[in-house]
Amino acid sequence: AQKITQTQPGMFVQEKEAVTLDCTYDTSDPSYGLFWYKQPSSGEMIFLIYQGSYDQQNATEGRYSLNFQKARKSANLVISASQLGDSAMYFCAMRDPKGGNNRLAFGKGNQVVVIP
Amino acid sequence: GAVVSQHPSRVICKSGTSVKIECRSLDFQATTMFWYRQFPKQSLMLMATSNEGSKATYEQGVEKDKFLINHASLTLSTLTVTSAHPEDSSFYICSADGTYEPGNTQYFGPGTRLTVL
Repeated sequence: AQKITQTQPGMFVQEKEAVTLDCTYDTSDPSYGLFWYKQPSSGEMIFLIYQGSYDQQNATEGRYSLNFQKARKSANLVISASQLGDSAMYFCAMRDPKGGNNRLAFGKGNQVVVIP
Repeated sequence: GAVVSQHPSRVICKSGTSVKIECRSLDFQATTMFWYRQFPKQSLMLMATSNEGSKATYEQGVEKDKFLINHASLTLSTLTVTSAHPEDSSFYICSADGTYEPGNTQYFGPGTRLTVL
């Protein structure tokens, strides 16, 4: 069974600084997809960034970038120039290719609080 | 693009009543939608996978007769919590499969907070 691990405790980040959120995963399948979602206090899940297992380059999307280290099975999210609106829970997820129907497995999440 | 709506956003009901939650993909067609449940300060728990025109696939431990799912069209899936009880109070959130998106990205609705008195 696949597993997503997010173990960092809640994080306080100074506004305008960068923050890295750790995510490690475990799968025996060579083809998989990794996702990061943001969940603010309102509850909605906002898609941030995607990394495919065969992608040669690390994914980037505006202030979000993914530090993908395949051999170490890690997919850390980097948020640059933090803003107050970045305060939220952040979930790492992996698509289960064997489960069919594009199921996602989620980590437990990282809490980020941006302070002015 | 890739907008998913969910209605209602919040519902309070009496124990024993049924509650229907709608999930719509507004600007794309979704053959597959997913229903999750989330308890406070926890991650999302997949309840069921909803496929257009066929029966939903429920996760282990989820009561099919309790949580009825219907996916009648490519843009609409509904979750009905039948004979709701206080233990069913939770945050329910749906997602839609963006088949043509990189990685088949799932896009989520804003969620429904259910409180059963």
